[in-house]
Amino acid sequence: KAGVTQTPRYLIKTRGQQVTLSCSPISGHRSVSWYQQTPGQGLQFLFEYFSETQRNKGNFPGRFSGRQFSNSRSEMNVSTLELGDSALYLCASSYLAGDNTGELFFGEGSRLTVL
Amino acid sequence: QQQVKQSPQSLIVQKGGISIINCAYENTAFDYFPWYQQFPGKGPALLIAIRPDVSEKKEGRFTISFNKSAKQFSLHIMDSQPGDSATYFCAAVMEYGNKLVFGAGTILRVKS
Repeated sequence: KAGVTQTPRYLIKTRGQQVTLSCSPISGHRSVSWYQQTPGQGLQFLFEYFSETQRNKGNFPGRFSGRQFSNSRSEMNVSTLELGDSALYLCASSYLAGDNTGELFFGEGSRLTVL
Repeated sequence: QQQVKQSPQSLIVQKGGISIINCAYENTAFDYFPWYQQFPGKGPALLIAIRPDVSEKKEGRFTISFNKSAKQFSLHIMDSQPGDSATYFCAAVMEYGNKLVFGAGTILRVKS
């Protein structure tokens, strides 16, 4: 069974640009969550989608947005990039939704560098 | 109240020794506590998890101890091996959702 797939794995952008990251969850998983990982702030929750609806949202500015498609694939977008957005962006999928298990399956992440 | 405090920040253990990582939380609404293991260049992977109605859970060499009254929980790695060298994150989840609140992480190095 294929794991969570994230693309691109690495990307470099300049301040002010925008970026779109993609995530394909494990087949059959309907919940997709996004996390930002930085050395200073650690792992922080961005948002969670289930059945194309945002179910939870973290404390990030509106420049961070996401969506989920009918096939459960998800994208997140960051507009007007700032230097502090440089991070590893992790996508995680979960089979059980509406049931709290914390059993997330993470992808290897998209490493974003903002210059 | 949303924080999960994790210690130590880093840990060096001899092969065969016991690695202990501690976490504490404030929000009593948390009701599920997973531990994740992350190797360089990889995403975190679920290691073991516990609910607050259980005081201890063991899976192989990994044991979670949970103290509900103190709002603390810990991970014990018995007979630590060099292959256990990784970053370990404790986390907490509230009911209804996959919004994990992570601890800051512990970098474990097991010396052979």
